[in-house]
Amino acid sequence: VIWMTQSPSLLSASTGDRVTISCRMSQGISSYLAWYQQKPGKAPELLIYAASTLQSGVPSRFSGSGSGTDFTLTISCLQSEDFATYYCQQYYSFPRTFGQGTKVEIK
Amino acid sequence: QVQLVESGGGVVQPGGSLRLSCAASGFTFSSYGMHWVRQAPGKGLEWVAFIRYDGSNKYYADSVKGRFTISRDNSKNTLYLQMNSLRAEDTAVYYCAKDRGEFDPIDAFDIWGQGTMVTVSS
Repeated sequence: VIWMTQSPSLLSASTGDRVTISCRMSQGISSYLAWYQQKPGKAPELLIYAASTLQSGVPSRFSGSGSGTDFTLTISCLQSEDFATYYCQQYYSFPRTFGQGTKVEIK
Repeated sequence: QVQLVESGGGVVQPGGSLRLSCAASGFTFSSYGMHWVRQAPGKGLEWVAFIRYDGSNKYYADSVKGRFTISRDNSKNTLYLQMNSLRAEDTAVYYCAKDRGEFDPIDAFDIWGQGTMVTVSS
């Protein structure tokens, strides 16, 4: 099983801020990492796959980087609709695993 | 448009059974691997099970192995999750999700259903 450590668990920020979320793997996964956004009462939505490729329709203020064991999601200029919970996920092997989640809240 | 719609959730007693369904539309269902993912109230996402596009290969989380069975009917564009010997800790919203790439990709989940709630309680 590949364990994932996502940090921070809670991030307080203001509209316009640049925010960064980290995800660390217990072993290397090349670039087989995705990021999802989830709003309350809704299903998760894919933001980024292959560590850094933006899913179609996702705003360019979202970006991803990293490979191997350390990955980052960056939101360059936080908008009101970005306040949500974010999850990383590895799809290098089964069982697929998710990070614990990062809730981005309004400061 | 591309859509997944889950059904079959409800309240069941510990030790009971339930079968979830996920109806797919707007894409060639028989070409994609499919997953079940669950989320306990107030908690994070937990992957549950996967089935290959042709049903020939399946994987399960340790927490459900031997109790849950994933299956699909490509003629009906429907994914299933048979859940037996249910426990209180199985209480969650259950989502079906589709692999982004066709056939045998190593890929993210690009389409999710809206979820169906399963409550295990006496």
